[in-house]
Amino acid sequence: EVKLLESGGGLVQPGGSLRLSCAASGFTFADFYMSWIRQSPGKAPEWLSFIRNKANSYTTEYNPSVKGRFTISRDDTQNVLYLQMNTLRAEDTAIYYCAKHRLRGYFDYWGQGVMVTVSS
Amino acid sequence: DIQLTQSPSSMSASLGDRVSLTCQSSQGIGNYLSWYQHKPGKPPKPMIYYATNLADGVPSRFSGSRSGSDYSLTISSLESEDTAIYYCLQYDEYPWTFGGGTKLELK
Repeated sequence: EVKLLESGGGLVQPGGSLRLSCAASGFTFADFYMSWIRQSPGKAPEWLSFIRNKANSYTTEYNPSVKGRFTISRDDTQNVLYLQMNTLRAEDTAIYYCAKHRLRGYFDYWGQGVMVTVSS
Repeated sequence: DIQLTQSPSSMSASLGDRVSLTCQSSQGIGNYLSWYQHKPGKPPKPMIYYATNLADGVPSRFSGSRSGSDYSLTISSLESEDTAIYYCLQYDEYPWTFGGGTKLELK
């Protein structure tokens, strides 16, 4: 059974940092692209970033809304996806999901999400 | 960024109704569009990918179609479990973008 479990969320002050983790199991993590997607309260989801697999050199793509502040990475030895978030702003408050790609744009499995609140 | 406009923003329908939700793209994206169903407290669930392909485990009453830059998600016979918010996603061009959603309720 495929499982994705996010952790690392919480309350952080504006300008602060957080690192989210997504522990994957039930599939060969190293073979698949992975994404981070967030959803602010009452808004549509927003795709943030994805990281390709080793065969594609772990290259990354970012939404300009977070490029330069957020960094996606992965540890295929531990089956974990990360999102390092720096210089956080109030508008970064959202539920953050990790998602596995079946194909480009087809996220076949999602985690349950982790809440990040940026507030003083 | 490519804008996806979903219509209607909300709707109500009766059990057994045929329901069509629309997603219009601001520019050509080919078939690089998927649909997701989102229920409260759960992560989004994939329904359709590449505009017309049914995702794994999705009932056959769901279908996707395309006419130019207009994409549709159709439910042939509405069931109570289909009440949710439906989002389209374009993945032709970065940044990938979601539409604003259509909230589907039972009448």
